[in-house]
Amino acid sequence: DTGVSQNPRHKITKRGQNVTFRCDPISEHNRLYWYRQTLGQGPEFLTYFQNEAQLEKSRLLSDRFSAERPKGSFSTLEIQRTEQGDSAMYLCASVNTGDSYGYTFGSGTRLTVV
Amino acid sequence: RKEVEQDPGPFNVPEGATVAFNCTYSNSASQSFFWYRQDCRKEPKLLMSVYSSGNEDGRFTAQLNRASQYISLLIRDSKLSDSATYLCVVSSNSGYALNFGKGTSLLVTP
Repeated sequence: DTGVSQNPRHKITKRGQNVTFRCDPISEHNRLYWYRQTLGQGPEFLTYFQNEAQLEKSRLLSDRFSAERPKGSFSTLEIQRTEQGDSAMYLCASVNTGDSYGYTFGSGTRLTVV
Repeated sequence: RKEVEQDPGPFNVPEGATVAFNCTYSNSASQSFFWYRQDCRKEPKLLMSVYSSGNEDGRFTAQLNRASQYISLLIRDSKLSDSATYLCVVSSNSGYALNFGKGTSLLVTP
C-alpha cells in the first residue's frame, strides 16, 4: 500500500485518558500534516512537519496536544487528558515540497471520548 | 470572519443538471486554491486546482477571481456519482497549510 496509513481507524476512550495516533505518510513525501474534522465542518489545520521539524502549529493545538515526527518518517499525535470536545476525525496528510499542494490524506482516526 | 466561506447546501439536482458552487476567502495574500471532494465518512480527495485563468477537467470547471476573492466550481451533466461534499480550499498565510471551507453538499438524484 503506497498511500497514507493511519492507525487506529477508531478509538473510543474515557474522558481524562491519554490517546496516541500514528500516521505513516507516503515514503517520499517530506511534509506531513495533521488536521481535525468534526461533523459538518471542513478539516481544521493542527500542525505540520517538514522532515522531522515541526514548522507550524495552529492555536487549536492546546498544550494537551503534542505531535512528533522523530525520524522524518512516521508521525504520532498524542492527546493528554482527553475531553469530550476532542471527539473528531483526526486526519493526516502528506505531500512533497514542489508538488502543487496535492495533499494525500489518510483515512483518518475517529476518536470518541465518552 | 471565517477564512473560507461556502454555502453548505444541500444542493439537490437531477441527473444531467448543471450545478455551480461558490466560495469566498478572506486572505488576499493566499496563493493556492483548490477544490476537494469528500464522500461520506471518507477522507477528502483533491478534485482540482484553481487558477486565475480558469481550468477545466472534463465536466468540471473551476474559476478564480482574485479581485473579488471568489472561487467557483461548475459541474456539467451531473452524475449520481457526483453526490458528495465539495470543499473549497485556500492556502494559509504561511503558504504551507491549507484552510478548508465547511463544504457544500451535493445530492444528484435519478
